[in-house]
Amino acid sequence: GAGVSQSPRYKVAKRGQDVALRCDPISGHVSLFWYQQALGQGPEFLTYFQNEAQLDKSGLPSDRFFAERPEGSVSTLKIQRTQQEDSAVYLCASSAHQGPSQVAFFGQGTRLTVV
Amino acid sequence: AQKVTQAQTEISVVEKEDVTLDCVYETRDTTYYLFWYKQPPSGELVFLIRRNSFDEQNEISGRYSWNFQKSTSSFNFTITASQVVDSAVYFCALSEASQGGKLIFGQGTELSVKP
Repeated sequence: GAGVSQSPRYKVAKRGQDVALRCDPISGHVSLFWYQQALGQGPEFLTYFQNEAQLDKSGLPSDRFFAERPEGSVSTLKIQRTQQEDSAVYLCASSAHQGPSQVAFFGQGTRLTVV
Repeated sequence: AQKVTQAQTEISVVEKEDVTLDCVYETRDTTYYLFWYKQPPSGELVFLIRRNSFDEQNEISGRYSWNFQKSTSSFNFTITASQVVDSAVYFCALSEASQGGKLIFGQGTELSVKP
């Protein structure tokens, strides 16, 4: 696609519910990142994939958070047993190649509200 | 530890004024990259510029200019003759060579340009 696409755009979950957030990166992009953005804050890194390999998951806040990218394209971020503190915008980004100089292109995010 | 600080939380200017957004960073890496992103109300972060740690040349792109000074660990962003369409949240971000491409963001500066 022309840009990074995320779905759903908005998700309301009851506390304790499991949710799955989808990211379609730009076609052919090797690297894929997930970030969490709390209200009024900058995005914070969650996890990083190079193709299908998850190379860094140091930012995942707990073992309730799980991400996958099984075929090296679409990625899913799953949150189990959601808590109120999980409410945030979840941003996905992709870049053409691997490395610190690469420009990351972001999707519009999924706004998760846990009630 | 790596860190990006944007001390200005909110700035309000009148159209046609010049405005400078400050960014200060901390890193132990000698090779790193600095970025500015714009986040309009739609939520998608839009890439504006990337600089590497070895290139301190200032850059100008239309009404936008960037001043990178390693001596003060700063990477400031100036908008000349601001316009209402410049209203957005602006983020400065750091990518370190040792960290594979993940971005460390500042807290953002919300710029409001009034007609």
